[in-house]
Amino acid sequence: QLLEQSPQFLSIQEGENLTVYCNSSSVFSSLQWYRQEPGEGPVLLIALYKAGELTSNGRLTAQFGITRKDSFLNISASIPSDVGIYFCAGRENYGQNFVFGPGTRLSVLP
Amino acid sequence: EPEVTQTPSHQVTQMGQEVILRCVPISNHLYFYWYRQILGQKVEFLVSFYNNEISEKSEIFDDQFSVERPDGSNFTLKIRSTKLEDSAMYFCASSWPSGGTRNEQFFGPGTRLTVL
Repeated sequence: QLLEQSPQFLSIQEGENLTVYCNSSSVFSSLQWYRQEPGEGPVLLIALYKAGELTSNGRLTAQFGITRKDSFLNISASIPSDVGIYFCAGRENYGQNFVFGPGTRLSVLP
Repeated sequence: EPEVTQTPSHQVTQMGQEVILRCVPISNHLYFYWYRQILGQKVEFLVSFYNNEISEKSEIFDDQFSVERPDGSNFTLKIRSTKLEDSAMYFCASSWPSGGTRNEQFFGPGTRLTVL
C-alpha cells in the first residue's frame, strides 16, 4: 500500500486558502488527516469513512473520494499556527494498521 | 481532554543495549499501537495490540521488538539489542471503539530514541 501526497511543500500568505491532495492505487476503508508540528505527535484533524464523504472541522474541509483511493484537505483563511506537516493516513481493509503518506510541509507567511 | 502520554521524551542508549519505551493510552481505549518516524520521513506502523495480544504487526516489527501491557494503564515497547538504525521518534497511539468501521487513533507526543 502506498499513499502519495501533493504538493510536498507549500508556502502561502496568511489568509489564503490551500488544498492538499492524497491518492493511492489501493482502496482504503477509511482515511484520516493529521497535522504534526516539529517534535510532537500527529494530531487528528478529520476522519473519513464513507465514499464521497465531505466533512468539515472549523476552517478545515476534507473529502473521501468515491473510489476510496483519494482525498483532499482544504484549509481556508490560513493563519500562522496552521504551519506543520499534514499527513493523510489510510486504513487497510478494516484492519488496525494505518499507512501514512509522506506529508505536505506547510509554511504560512504573515 | 484525555490524552496519550509517553515517557521518556528522549532516550539515549548505546548500540546493543535494551530500551523500554512507555505509554499510557487514553483510559477507555481498547486498541493500542506503536509507530515510528525516522527523522524527516513518514510515520510507519509497527504493531497493534488488543485484548492482551498483538493483532497486527508490520515487517519492521521483528524479533527485536516486543510489546506488553503490564498493568491496566501502561503499554510498553521493548527494543532488544538496539542498532543505530533504530534511532527514530516512537509514537504510541490508542483508539476506541474496538474495530469495526470507525477507528480514530490518537497519538502521544513521542519518545525520541537515539542510539549511539
